[in-house]
Amino acid sequence: DAKTTQPPSMDCAEGRAANLPCNHSTISGNEYVYWYRQIHSQGPQYIIHGLKNNETNEMASLIITEDRKSSTLILPHATLRDTAVYYCIVRSGNTGFQKLVFGTGTRLLVSP
Amino acid sequence: EAGVAQSPRYKIIEKRQSVAFWCNPISGHATLYWYQQILGQGPKLLIQFQNNGVVDDSQLPKDRFSAERLKGVDSTLKIQPAKLEDSAVYLCASSYVRGGLNEQFFGPGTRLTVL
Repeated sequence: DAKTTQPPSMDCAEGRAANLPCNHSTISGNEYVYWYRQIHSQGPQYIIHGLKNNETNEMASLIITEDRKSSTLILPHATLRDTAVYYCIVRSGNTGFQKLVFGTGTRLLVSP
Repeated sequence: EAGVAQSPRYKIIEKRQSVAFWCNPISGHATLYWYQQILGQGPKLLIQFQNNGVVDDSQLPKDRFSAERLKGVDSTLKIQPAKLEDSAVYLCASSYVRGGLNEQFFGPGTRLTVL
């Protein structure tokens, strides 16, 4: 699976949009971009995933560049409860057996 | 629906002792995973089951770690004997295959401290 690069930490003011970048320059054509987050003392939680089109759900939006070498997770109105470590993961989407390989992620701190 | 259950939540043992963790996945989820998360790092997959068969155990230290999933439901992960470097949070997750989507649902984890 392709490797990802994320900034180690980011800050965001409550109510503002949080834009979390991820570089995955070696991504191949059948690999999906997944985002998970881990709130302190909890297990990771699935947020969103995409292949090449932008995706949106009730939690976040995922913007993938046209060349698919990078992506941005957007939390449109960050709250204090969004403080967590965010993991960007690239994996093959061919079957459900493909494992998730977590990096060290981005630690997002949302402040009042 | 009920989430992934794990027990115990915390365990403190001395090195060379044995320890076991238990996981009950979400009902109907055929795939079960055990991860190890060392402080400051992301989770690392130890073993993956599909029903009661092992799909991937390439990262499992088989000289001291073992896992089983009898009847394709509950699972136990055992460490025998424990080393200091085994201090970590052990996470269990489960998933079901839906068109290739691999949304894994994680339990709260068991925090192991080896003294």
